[in-house]
Amino acid sequence: NAGVTQTPKFRILKIGQSMTLQCTQDMNHNYMYWYRQDPGMGLKLIYYSVGAGITDKGEVPNGYNVSRSTTEDFPLRLELAAPSQTSVYFCASSYMTATYGYTFGSGTRLTVV
Amino acid sequence: AQSVTQLGSHVSVSEGALVLLRCNYSSSVPPYLFWYVQYPNQGLQLLLKYTSAATLVKGINGFEAEFKKSETSFHLTKPSAHMSDAAEYFCAVSEESGGSYIPTFGRGTSLIVHP
Repeated sequence: NAGVTQTPKFRILKIGQSMTLQCTQDMNHNYMYWYRQDPGMGLKLIYYSVGAGITDKGEVPNGYNVSRSTTEDFPLRLELAAPSQTSVYFCASSYMTATYGYTFGSGTRLTVV
Repeated sequence: AQSVTQLGSHVSVSEGALVLLRCNYSSSVPPYLFWYVQYPNQGLQLLLKYTSAATLVKGINGFEAEFKKSETSFHLTKPSAHMSDAAEYFCAVSEESGGSYIPTFGRGTSLIVHP
C-alpha cells in the first residue's frame, strides 16, 4: 500500500520556467489537497479537490493551477515560476472530509533561482 | 473563522522528562482537532485527533492530548521523552465551512530532546 506518492522529490527551476508536481494516491480517497510549507509558517493550503472534476482554491492559490481528472491523481501546475514559490510542497488526501485526518506524501522540495 | 496558536516555536526537554506542547484555537463551533508529527525530510503523520468523543485522546508513540473547551486548548503531552520524539509537531483545527472541513494548521513546534 503506497499511500500518497509525490514526484519529483527535488527540483530546481529557473525563473519563468513551468513544471508539474505529481501526486497520486491509491486509497480511493475522494478528498485531495496541496499545501506549501515555509519555515516557521506552518502549512498553507493552495488548492483542494473533493472529487474527480471538482477543485477549489485555498488560501494561497496565485501562481498555481490544478486539475482532477481521476480519483487517484491531483497534479499541481506552476506557471512562470518565481522565487517566492521556493518551498516544500505536500500533497495530502483524506477519506470523505478532513475530519478523518490526512495522509500526506513525502513532499517535493522546489527551489526557484 | 478558525485559527490555531502554538505557543513556542521550539521546546527543549531532557530524555525521560515530560513533554508538553501547547495549542490554543479559536473556533465559533465545536471543532475537530488534530496533532501531526513531521520527522526530518518526511511528510506529516497523524498523531491523534479529537472528534467530540472522549476529551482525553490517546495517540501513537505514547502521546495524548486533552480537549479543554473552557480554555480552548488541545495541549499535547507525553510522560517521558525519547530521543526518537525529536521532530516538528503541528496542531490543526477544522470546523465546517460551506460543507467542507478544511483544517487550519499552526506554525509548528520543534521538539528538541537532549540526552
